[in-house]
Amino acid sequence: ETGVTQTPRHLVMGMTNKKSLKCEQHLGHNAMYWYKQSAKKPLELMFVYSLEERVENNSVPSRFSPECPNSSHLFLHLHTLQPEDSALYLCASKASGGSTDTQYFGPGTRLTVL
Amino acid sequence: TQLLEQSPQFLSIQEGENLTVYCNSSSVFSSLQWYRQEPGEGPVLLVTVVTGGEVKKLKRLTFQFGDARKDSSLHITAAQPGDTGLYLCAGDGMDSSYKLIFGSGTRLLVRP
Repeated sequence: ETGVTQTPRHLVMGMTNKKSLKCEQHLGHNAMYWYKQSAKKPLELMFVYSLEERVENNSVPSRFSPECPNSSHLFLHLHTLQPEDSALYLCASKASGGSTDTQYFGPGTRLTVL
Repeated sequence: TQLLEQSPQFLSIQEGENLTVYCNSSSVFSSLQWYRQEPGEGPVLLVTVVTGGEVKKLKRLTFQFGDARKDSSLHITAAQPGDTGLYLCAGDGMDSSYKLIFGSGTRLLVRP
């Protein structure tokens, strides 16, 4: 238990569906992250929020839409996804912007797009 | 562009054997981290190395940061089935203190 929870743990959706992934951290951290983990590829950073402001957006398609309503919660809204978007989506949090601060990861949401 | 290459990609060994995993780059990193990820879980930090030539030990795991801070290695002595997992190295992104650049990982299987 890392203090970062993600729901749902598994999600199967069609290409026309709209769904949302949720992440919650109970560590009092100020920065939150979304990563995509595909087979045989390095973890890909998608978005970073610091104090509820988006500070990184790594050229992610607009069919992925993040939302950070407060420093404890992070959402990833999904719509009109493609089969190649199937992957493990990981949320992480960090105390601050310091480069050596530890990132704490949630267990991930395994997404399958049919 | 900063890239981290890990080798080998896959490793299957017998319990009790020793192994070394490598993480290499042409870029300099001010720090490198090693994570282990088990099936169904997110990565968990094992260690952070920050000084060139630094060696850190965590029980049977020995981590080394290269003198030039471009590479790192993880050595496991007398591997056990509980060491099975995906080992990831990650370096700080030079253009952002928020970013970590991850390697593609080494998948280790330790057979009883």
